[in-house]
Amino acid sequence: QQQVKQSPQSLIVQKGGISIINCAYENTAFDYFPWYQQFPGKGPALLIAIRPDVSEKKEGRFTISFNKSAKQFSLHIMDSQPGDSATYFCAAGHSGGKLIFGQGTELSVKP
Amino acid sequence: DGGITQSPKYLFRKEGQNVTLSCEQNLNHDAMYWYRQDPGQGLRLIYYSQIVNDFQKGDIAEGYSVSREKKESFPLTVTSAQKNPTAFYLCASRHWTAINYGYTFGSGTRLTVV
Repeated sequence: QQQVKQSPQSLIVQKGGISIINCAYENTAFDYFPWYQQFPGKGPALLIAIRPDVSEKKEGRFTISFNKSAKQFSLHIMDSQPGDSATYFCAAGHSGGKLIFGQGTELSVKP
Repeated sequence: DGGITQSPKYLFRKEGQNVTLSCEQNLNHDAMYWYRQDPGQGLRLIYYSQIVNDFQKGDIAEGYSVSREKKESFPLTVTSAQKNPTAFYLCASRHWTAINYGYTFGSGTRLTVV
């Protein structure tokens, strides 16, 4: 009930391509779904987040798509750049509670 | 600048030794968390604290201890009972507003057993 499953574990994309990372959750009480970006040797930083009352949120080249009925959400990175190479974590939680993190996706964008 | 400060950045532990990792925040956040990160295993929760003088075990608390005597500070001690302590340790604090909430992470401490 508390798990968040993230896929793929690793992803290689050509520069200019679209990177897509998927997550699935089980607990229908979750009402907050953030994505974090982590560069090597650094702590994760909040990238973008969504609440279940909207199906999509876009910030620059980053878009979250949310499917409440399927209990799935995904991160799309448009026009992927080598500087986007990092580990990405999805997470889910409910207000006042702790976040549950996915296993992470290591993204490599080739020039 | 508001944020979370973890120290030291690198730490070396000898067998049988206890070591303490520091985590300080000036964000006025109530809740604080400690995670362990190993390659390919994501973020695993060690301990968390929602208020001063109170804390709860996470998923992998064995071999670790914490204290929360001040709102700003949440140190983690890796005891000799932790048999495989080599990892990257991350401290986080939680912010929450009516609009959203999430975690602010520190830059981490890399602990190595020598």
